Amino acid sequence: QVQLVQSGAELKKPGASVKISCQASGLTFINNYIHWLRQAPGQGPEWVATIKLNGGTTTYSEKFQNRVTVTTGTSTDTIYMELTRLRSDDTAIFYCARDLGERAPGAYDFWGQGTQITVSS
Amino acid sequence: ELVMTQSPATVSVSPGETVTLSCRASHSVSNDLAWYRHKPGQAPRLLIFGASTRATGIADRFSGSGSGTEFTLTISSLQSEDFAVYYCQQYNNWPGTFGRGTKVEVK
Repeated sequence: QVQLVQSGAELKKPGASVKISCQASGLTFINNYIHWLRQAPGQGPEWVATIKLNGGTTTYSEKFQNRVTVTTGTSTDTIYMELTRLRSDDTAIFYCARDLGERAPGAYDFWGQGTQITVSS
Repeated sequence: ELVMTQSPATVSVSPGETVTLSCRASHSVSNDLAWYRHKPGQAPRLLIFGASTRATGIADRFSGSGSGTEFTLTISSLQSEDFAVYYCQQYNNWPGTFGRGTKVEVK
């Protein structure tokens, strides 16, 4: 069974950076894509970035371009998202989620529990 | 950007009843439509993909239908764990986009 477990809540000041993690287990196929999504209060989730675990290829939303970086740990079972130059409107819950793959590329079959990022002075 | 519109925003239902949720796409997404259930503080759960295919482990009281721009999710015999927010998502156009959700609350 796939499980994605995310790191805990973060409180940051405007202009700071934050790096959160998503620890994956039960991934049986190396050709997995892991996505990061942001959910602001009262909104649906919004795609932020994607990493292909086999090879580390990344894709980023233009909205977050130059502020977001997604990487993996040495064993690829931990995926990191770093967001820089934080603004108050970055206050949201960030989720990691696995792509469903061939049956429905772009849908997400397993999600992490979410990490609250709060940006406040 | 392809916009997904869900209705109603909130619906009040009694346990054991049936509820139907709607999702409309601003342009055709064929049948590339997923539904998720989300309870606060928990991971969202995939219910339906391909507009009507239940995900692994999802009970048959969840059924999805539609294609093109109009979709519905019907939940029969509502149980306690079904009181949550439901999101539709199109994945026909990259990147996929979500609606703002329908909250199913206890009447």
